[in-house]
Amino acid sequence: EAGVAQSPRYKIIEKRQSVAFWCNPISGHATLYWYQQILGQGPKLLIQFQNNGVVDDSQLPKDRFSAERLKGVDSTLKIQPAKLEDSAVYLCASSLGLAGGHEQYFGPGTRLTVT
Amino acid sequence: AQSVTQLDSQVPVFEEAPVELRCNYSSSVSVYLFWYVQYPNQGLQLLLKYLSGSTLVESINGFEAEFNKSQTSFHLRKPSVHISDTAEYFCAVSERGGNKLVFGAGTILRVKS
Repeated sequence: EAGVAQSPRYKIIEKRQSVAFWCNPISGHATLYWYQQILGQGPKLLIQFQNNGVVDDSQLPKDRFSAERLKGVDSTLKIQPAKLEDSAVYLCASSLGLAGGHEQYFGPGTRLTVT
Repeated sequence: AQSVTQLDSQVPVFEEAPVELRCNYSSSVSVYLFWYVQYPNQGLQLLLKYLSGSTLVESINGFEAEFNKSQTSFHLRKPSVHISDTAEYFCAVSERGGNKLVFGAGTILRVKS
């Protein structure tokens, strides 16, 4: 089966510009996650969707970050305007459901550099 | 809220030597525990997990981890490492019944010949 797809793989922008990332989860996976991984740290959950509804966005900086999953499949994460501290790898993951213990499958990530 | 501490940022080891990567967690509720691995230029993938039952869990490539509730630890071990085990290893925890993962900072395992 195809894995989690993400694009672009790399992005370089200047501060105050906007950027968007795209994620296509594994077919049939109802739950989708966006993580931010800053160099030297573990991934940090930004937002979690169940189908097209938000389950948890408590750590999403809502003044500049937004995410949507309109049809319960693909998702986009947007940053507007970007700051230097947003430089990180943005990971998308998906799982079958919300029940505990379900494996999360990760995409290859998008490496964002803000200059 | 949960937290995870991985005590070593890097662990260098010679091929065929044993290795232990340490992980301690903090939580006020019962938890599930996971080890994820990230090989160079690849995405994160699940190595093994503890949900319930036997406190010793194993992966298909020879790693094992033991859940120790009294010490709130979930250390990862392998009796004999290979060059191909060179990767970054992340310990993660979620509340029992939920699946929001909280990750540690990761440990880079470097296997030398």
